Amino acid sequence: ETGVTQTPRHLVMGMTNKKSLKCEQHLGHNAMYWYKQSAKKPLELMFVYNFKEQTENNSVPSRFSPECPNSSHLFLHLHTLQPEDSALYLCASSQERTGRTEAFFGQGTRLTVV
Amino acid sequence: GQQLNQSPQSMFIQEGEDVSMNCTSSSIFNTWLWYKQEPGEGPVLLIALYKAGELTSNGRLTAQFGITRKDSFLNISASIPSDVGIYFCAGVSGNTPLVFGKGTRLSVIA
Repeated sequence: ETGVTQTPRHLVMGMTNKKSLKCEQHLGHNAMYWYKQSAKKPLELMFVYNFKEQTENNSVPSRFSPECPNSSHLFLHLHTLQPEDSALYLCASSQERTGRTEAFFGQGTRLTVV
Repeated sequence: GQQLNQSPQSMFIQEGEDVSMNCTSSSIFNTWLWYKQEPGEGPVLLIALYKAGELTSNGRLTAQFGITRKDSFLNISASIPSDVGIYFCAGVSGNTPLVFGKGTRLSVIA
């Protein structure tokens, strides 16, 4: 148990579907992140939220839409994805502004776009 | 953007052997982190380093923050089959988010 929970663990969706990934952290952290992990590529940062404000959008296509309603929950809304978007999507959280930037990850959602 | 060069990309070792992997950067970092990821799971934090020269152990794992602040290494002593996985280094420079290396895939032969 890492304190960061992601649902669903696996998702298969068609290119015209709309789905959402959910992340919840129980660590009292104030920053949350979405990462994309594709085969043979380094972890790619997608979005960062600090105190519910989006502070980083790493040139992510608009078919990915994040939402952070509070400091414990983070969503990634998916719409009209492409097959190349198939990957492991990881959520992480950390406690910013304390000098300690350790990020704790969820187990990920394995997304397959067909 | 900032990049971390992690090596080796993969390793095949015999059970009981020691393992060493490292991460280098052209930029100065003020934090180095080492993670392990097993199949179908998210990365798990192993060791965090915050000071140049810092040497920290976690069981059979030892990591060091390089004096130049541009590198870090991770050693695993007396490897066992459950050490199998992908090991990632990650660094923080200034106020930027974590930057990750591409990982070292470790295989342990019993």
